[in-house]
Amino acid sequence: GESVGLHLPTLSVQEGDNSIINCAYSNSASDYFIWYKQESGKGPQFIIDIRSNMDKRQGQRVTVLLNKTVKHLSLQIAATQPGDSAVYFCAANQAGTALIFGKGTTLSVSS
Amino acid sequence: DAGVTQSPTHLIKTRGQHVTLRCSPISGHKSVSWYQQVLGQGPQFIFQYYEKEERGRGNFPDRFSARQFPNYSSELNVNALLLGDSALYLCASSLRGSNYGYTFGSGTRLTVV
Repeated sequence: GESVGLHLPTLSVQEGDNSIINCAYSNSASDYFIWYKQESGKGPQFIIDIRSNMDKRQGQRVTVLLNKTVKHLSLQIAATQPGDSAVYFCAANQAGTALIFGKGTTLSVSS
Repeated sequence: DAGVTQSPTHLIKTRGQHVTLRCSPISGHKSVSWYQQVLGQGPQFIFQYYEKEERGRGNFPDRFSARQFPNYSSELNVNALLLGDSALYLCASSLRGSNYGYTFGSGTRLTVV
């Protein structure tokens, strides 16, 4: 089955720096990937998604990169702000089956 | 517009009891999925319903059951509660029976004592 893992459980950055959160998945048949942000006491909030026919997608201050060869994706946050402090999850999906989540990376932004 | 709403927000139950959690999807969304999130872990898939039919089931015991009503709201039921069932239970809705456009609610925090 699918497994999804994050490379680092915690990441600490200074305000204004760029943040990179990495994620690996195991199932090469996974065709859809989502990054979520979860703040304390809240449900996961959609940040950005990417389908397997793309290798890069950009949003507002965020970029997701997908490398299918090594089954790796990353979330880049530009000019990180204190409000970006949260737990970040990547999730993988195969043909409409359940989303498989990684364990999460806690991003701490200090000003 | 209201997002995905879940009730109750917090709940304390005793081992062996039964619990019912409720979810109202975003207006127009016909699919509801349930996830369990244990502290420090990512959400784990329990069920998916679309047009009132079960579309998928995760690796959870038969103590867990769910249903979807004609108005597309959903209930998650857990029988014979165990301490290990303590978790945040998340509901997510989407327009169709896929994971595109998934929106999560804020969850129900269940504590079993």
